[in-house]
Amino acid sequence: DAGVIQSPRHEVTEMGQEVTLRCKPISGHNSLFWYRQTMMRGLELLIYFNNNVPIDDSGMPEDRFSAKMPNASFSTLKIQPSEPRDSAVYFCASSPDTTDTQYFGPGTRLTVL
Amino acid sequence: DQQVKQNSPSLSVQEGRISILNCDYTNSMFDYFLWYKKYPAEGPTFLISISSIKDKNEDGRFTVFLNKSAKHLSLHIVPSQPGDSAVYFCAASEATGRRALTFGSGTRLQVQP
Repeated sequence: DAGVIQSPRHEVTEMGQEVTLRCKPISGHNSLFWYRQTMMRGLELLIYFNNNVPIDDSGMPEDRFSAKMPNASFSTLKIQPSEPRDSAVYFCASSPDTTDTQYFGPGTRLTVL
Repeated sequence: DQQVKQNSPSLSVQEGRISILNCDYTNSMFDYFLWYKKYPAEGPTFLISISSIKDKNEDGRFTVFLNKSAKHLSLHIVPSQPGDSAVYFCAASEATGRRALTFGSGTRLQVQP
């Protein structure tokens, strides 16, 4: 079975550019989560969706960040404009409604110069 | 305020011996606890979980113990193998239905051959 798929795996961009990260959850999972990992703050939740609806976006740092889930098999996290402090590894995870166990993708390492 | 704490950033054990990784939490609303293992350049991989109605859960070489009164859980790996060398994260979710996970800062385990 395919796990959570994220693309790209690595992204290097310049400050001020728009960045779009993509995620395909495990088929049949109803919940999708975006996390960010940094040295300073560790793994922290940005936003999560249930049945394609955003439920909790309290972790989104500021208006430069936005996330969408247009259907059950695809989600995007967009940063516009990007800043050097956005450099981090961004993980997507999914979970079925029957459990709180989340399954993570391989992550996207973002570097903003 | 860190709600999930892993106070040991690193641990080194000999192959074949027991590894004990510790985790403390402060939020009394947490009712489900998980351990994830993370290798470099990969996403966290689910290892084992425990519900607050239990005090022990075992899966092969991995056992998680939960002490609710002390707000403490631990992961035991017996016997430890070199392939267990990774960063281990403790995570927790709340009983309120907020299904996002709160992660500890991680413990790097090194198993020496």
